Amino acid sequence: NAGVTQTPKFRVLKTGQSMTLLCAQDMNHEYMYWYRQDPGMGLRLIHYSVGEGTTAKGEVPDGYNVSRLKKQNFLLGLESAAPSQTSVYFCASSWIWDRGKQPQHFGDGTRLSIL
Amino acid sequence: DQQVKQNSPSLSVQEGRISILNCDYTNSMFDYFLWYKKYPAEGPTFLISISSIKDKNEDGRFTVFLNKSAKHLSLHIVPSQPGDSAVYFCAASARGIDSWGKFQFGAGTQVVVTP
Repeated sequence: NAGVTQTPKFRVLKTGQSMTLLCAQDMNHEYMYWYRQDPGMGLRLIHYSVGEGTTAKGEVPDGYNVSRLKKQNFLLGLESAAPSQTSVYFCASSWIWDRGKQPQHFGDGTRLSIL
Repeated sequence: DQQVKQNSPSLSVQEGRISILNCDYTNSMFDYFLWYKKYPAEGPTFLISISSIKDKNEDGRFTVFLNKSAKHLSLHIVPSQPGDSAVYFCAASARGIDSWGKFQFGAGTQVVVTP
């Protein structure tokens, strides 16, 4: 029972490089999210999706792009990595029931360092 | 501007005693609250939730209290066990279609349960 799987778990990039973080869920959830966690800041929403083919900006979207071509996958792209994007990235998914007020299921995170 | 605040970054409690974690919020539109637990190198996992129509919700050793007039909620863990040592996040969701599925997270409280 995989739940939410994030790939890769760790990555080191140089400033200016690009990369894509992959999130896959096997629970048939409609909603998917990308968060970043920084010390003393909690989890901040980067982008989210309410269904296949849809994406929307969250609280801190600048410097990131996302795509949800398939319901089970949600990709987070860094176009030109900056040291400020050093963080732990979490993907999550949830049901659409009850006006979206459902607990989110999280992956184990991707630790990304930008040098 | 953090709308969900956990002002205690850490809490140490003896095994068997009560752990009380606090969370304050500023947005009066919040109508649903959750607590998540997070172990190192893992994603957050859902613990317990409460709707704004209630003032208390209980699940085994975990009880969440909501004081809407004070915009304050607390999580009580009784009795505390070594396995409860983790970071606890408070999260809140606002009413309204634009807020469906979106949660604001606090910065977290690190709980250490000592023998």
